[in-house]
Amino acid sequence: AQKVTQAQTEISVVEKEDVTLDCVYETRDTTYYLFWYKQPPSGELVFLIRRNSFDEQNEISGRYSWNFQKSTSSFNFTITASQVVDSAVYFCALILSGGGADGLTFGKGTHLIIQP
Amino acid sequence: ETGVTQTPRHLVMGMTNKKSLKCEQHLGHNAMYWYKQSAKKPLELMFVYNFKEQTENNSVPSRFSPECPNSSHLFLHLHTLQPEDSALYLCASSPKIEPNTGELFFGEGSRLTVL
Repeated sequence: AQKVTQAQTEISVVEKEDVTLDCVYETRDTTYYLFWYKQPPSGELVFLIRRNSFDEQNEISGRYSWNFQKSTSSFNFTITASQVVDSAVYFCALILSGGGADGLTFGKGTHLIIQP
Repeated sequence: ETGVTQTPRHLVMGMTNKKSLKCEQHLGHNAMYWYKQSAKKPLELMFVYNFKEQTENNSVPSRFSPECPNSSHLFLHLHTLQPEDSALYLCASSPKIEPNTGELFFGEGSRLTVL
């Protein structure tokens, strides 16, 4: 069975600081996808990124960047120059390739608080 | 209008009540999901429907009864719930099950409180 661990339950930083959210996963499969979702106070989870297990290139999208390292089974998420609007709960998730109806395995989430 | 709409947003019910949660997606997707989000626990997949057919039931108690009359609508019927069932119930959709690329579109959830 798959498992996703987000050890940081809550992180609080001051606006404009950089912050990294950790994600460690476990799976015996070699083909899988990793995700980050954002859950703002309104409740809906918003898809941020999908990364397949064969692509270890880091990705940058504006102030967001993701560091995927298979050697440590980690898929960390960094927000540069954080803003108050980044305050949310962030979930890391995994699905096996061809995962079908099994769906995503989510971590418990990290509550990120950006203080003005 | 959001792609996935859930009603009601908030629901308070007694343990003997019968109520229903509704989900509607306007994205033309073929797969729909119910997830349960409890405090300090990972999101739990409850039910999956693919082209209106239930494909997954993750050992959910029978007091939760899903219904999918068509690919755009999904219901969760609730009866004789327990206080520990209080949670945020999230509906999601995706274009298809196979292959499941994992990119789900979520509604804003229905916050359920069982007294």
